Amino acid sequence: EAQVTQNPRYLITVTGKKLTVTCSQNMNHEYMSWYRQDPGLGLRQIYYSMNVEVTDKGDVPEGYKVSRKEKRNFPLILESPSPNQTSLYFCASSSGLVNYEQFFGPGTRLTVL
Amino acid sequence: TQLLEQSPQFLSIQEGENLTVYCNSSSVFSSLQWYRQEPGEGPVLLVTVVTGGEVKKLKRLTFQFGDARKDSSLHITAAQPGDTGLYLCAGENYGQNFVFGPGTRLSVLP
Repeated sequence: EAQVTQNPRYLITVTGKKLTVTCSQNMNHEYMSWYRQDPGLGLRQIYYSMNVEVTDKGDVPEGYKVSRKEKRNFPLILESPSPNQTSLYFCASSSGLVNYEQFFGPGTRLTVL
Repeated sequence: TQLLEQSPQFLSIQEGENLTVYCNSSSVFSSLQWYRQEPGEGPVLLVTVVTGGEVKKLKRLTFQFGDARKDSSLHITAAQPGDTGLYLCAGENYGQNFVFGPGTRLSVLP
């Protein structure tokens, strides 16, 4: 089954404790992206990657890092999480062949205390 | 920074009614996408519109892209409870970045 998976689905952590949210897709997509979703603000793009070893900032990259060492994986790293990074995070992928139509993962709900 | 606005923000209607949701921007996009999101899940793509003036139909849903490729609308005919969800529009610029609107939360009551 074609899918985007994220782990963990739920995470509660404390300020300053480094964490990684993993994202993996099995569709051989070149394009991958991370978003955060906050009430009233919609989805905001954090980082995106158009291919292996190619990443670029979205609208809200501060406090986040990403890497794209393999085509299928695109982890999101929070080196020193803060309470304002409490949010619902989504990973998405696209083949880039049809107007970058995206397939989304199920989301990771992160709470930073 | 490109922005997308959606209206209305909330909409509650009875089953069988028609409705239109709007997505507006001051910016031009290479394509505009509509997604539906249900609670606890990621957004699911409904349609992509690319050409100014384009109209696409998906069963009871009709999507239109403005002539200037800055705005779009989603019209639902004879809404059903299964149409309930958060409708998101997203503007895309040749994969360089995506901009999402804040969404329209639709509730269709039986």
